[in-house]
Amino acid sequence: QKEVEQDPGPLSVPEGAIVSLNCTYSNSAFQYFMWYRQYSRKGPELLMYTYSSGNKEDGRFTAQVDKSSKYISLFIRDSQPSDSATYLCASCKNRDDKIIFGKGTRLHILP
Amino acid sequence: DAGVIQSPRHEVTEMGQEVTLRCKPISGHDYLFWYRQTMMRGLELLIYFNNNVPIDDSGMPEDRFSAKMPNASFSTLKIQPSEPRDSAVYFCASSHTDLYEQYFGPGTRLTVT
Repeated sequence: QKEVEQDPGPLSVPEGAIVSLNCTYSNSAFQYFMWYRQYSRKGPELLMYTYSSGNKEDGRFTAQVDKSSKYISLFIRDSQPSDSATYLCASCKNRDDKIIFGKGTRLHILP
Repeated sequence: DAGVIQSPRHEVTEMGQEVTLRCKPISGHDYLFWYRQTMMRGLELLIYFNNNVPIDDSGMPEDRFSAKMPNASFSTLKIQPSEPRDSAVYFCASSHTDLYEQYFGPGTRLTVT
């Protein structure tokens, strides 16, 4: 079992819809949870991170972590065609620990 | 800052040839990472350095792969001899002190025929 799992998609939603992307993880020691966004033919870029459980909001994006169920979510409100990308969830134990990435979910926002 | 710089952007080579990928991290960053990305396996960490010293090379597939970081502004990943199964996009990334915040280069798309 991979330490971080996510559905590869693709996920297609109409513009303006709320998008929900999800991951599960297996290592209870993970404390940091990240979402990276990767546009086609580009390197991943950090979108946002969360420490431990709870929610974090940044504009149209909300990251949510439920450590009791080992579940990581990313919500995108008012989705735009420019949000079309692959979203990779990732986790690590400490701030000086290597990151474990999920395989990514491809998202298409239809105009 | 120009960001993480990788070269070449594309490499096509024949099986058995030596391949060298290059990376210049963001100035001031202490950590440098080499990743490989394929559809089947996703993004895999190959090796990472802290202050030019290799910390974890457990992801290096086999002895055909080697990585060096002779100074704070340059690193190489070498594959010798290359095989078709090495075909992938290879990313270099760097970070300052918090490893969860990594900055990725544009990648090198390697095709081994």
